[in-house]
Amino acid sequence: AQRVTQPEKLLSVFKGAPVELKCNYSYSGSPELFWYVQYSRQRLQLLLRHISRESIKGFTADLNKGETSFHLKKPFAQEEDSAMYYCALGTPFSNAGNNRKLIWGLGTSLAVNP
Amino acid sequence: NAGVTQTPKFQVLKTGQSMTLQCAQDMNHEYMSWYRQDPGMGLRLIHYSVGAGITDQGEVPNGYNVSRSTTEDFPLRLLSAAPSQTSVYFCASRYTDTQYFGPGTRLTVL
Repeated sequence: AQRVTQPEKLLSVFKGAPVELKCNYSYSGSPELFWYVQYSRQRLQLLLRHISRESIKGFTADLNKGETSFHLKKPFAQEEDSAMYYCALGTPFSNAGNNRKLIWGLGTSLAVNP
Repeated sequence: NAGVTQTPKFQVLKTGQSMTLQCAQDMNHEYMSWYRQDPGMGLRLIHYSVGAGITDQGEVPNGYNVSRSTTEDFPLRLLSAAPSQTSVYFCASRYTDTQYFGPGTRLTVL
C-alpha cells in the first residue's frame, strides 16, 4: 500500500537547535517525494522536492531508499520556521499519463521557541 | 498572476443546505484538485481533474460533486451539507511536480 508516515504530530525545539522532521514512505515504484509547508495564516506551499536536491531556507532532505525515508533537516532552527510541515509522495494516476497524485502524511507541527 | 483563488473564505451552513465552493486559477494548469484538511487527518483528496471535461474521485468523494467546464475553474458542490463536512477546503492546481494551493475555505455545518 502507498503510504506516508510522519510519526511526530508536534515537534518543539529551541532557536538555534538542530531540527529533523521525520518522513517514511511505503511505495513499490520509483518515489517522488516532497515537503510542503504551511506558515500561520498562509497557504500551503512547496518547500522541497527530492529530485532537485536543493536547500531552501536552510532545509535539506535526502531520499534514503534503503530506509524508505525522506527526513527534513535544518542545522539551526529559527523562530520563523515554526509552521506545519507535510511530507508527500507522488504516485502516478492510472489514467493520466505523466500526471501524478500526491499521498500526504498527517503533518508535523514545528514550534521553534526563543 | 493571482494564482489559485478560492471563494468564500468562510461559510456557515445548516445541515441539508447546498452550496458551491469556487476555485479558479490563471496559470493555465491542466491538473486541479480539491482537498479537505481536518485535525489529525492531514490532507485528503476529494476530487481531481486532469483537464477540462475530465474529473475523477479521490479518497473521500462522497457528498461532493465537481465539474470542469474550463481550464480555469473547478467548483466543488456540496449537495446536502452534513456536520461531517465541517472542514477547511483547499483547491490546488499543479504544473509538473509542484502543487499551487489556494488560501482555503473554512466551512462549518451546523
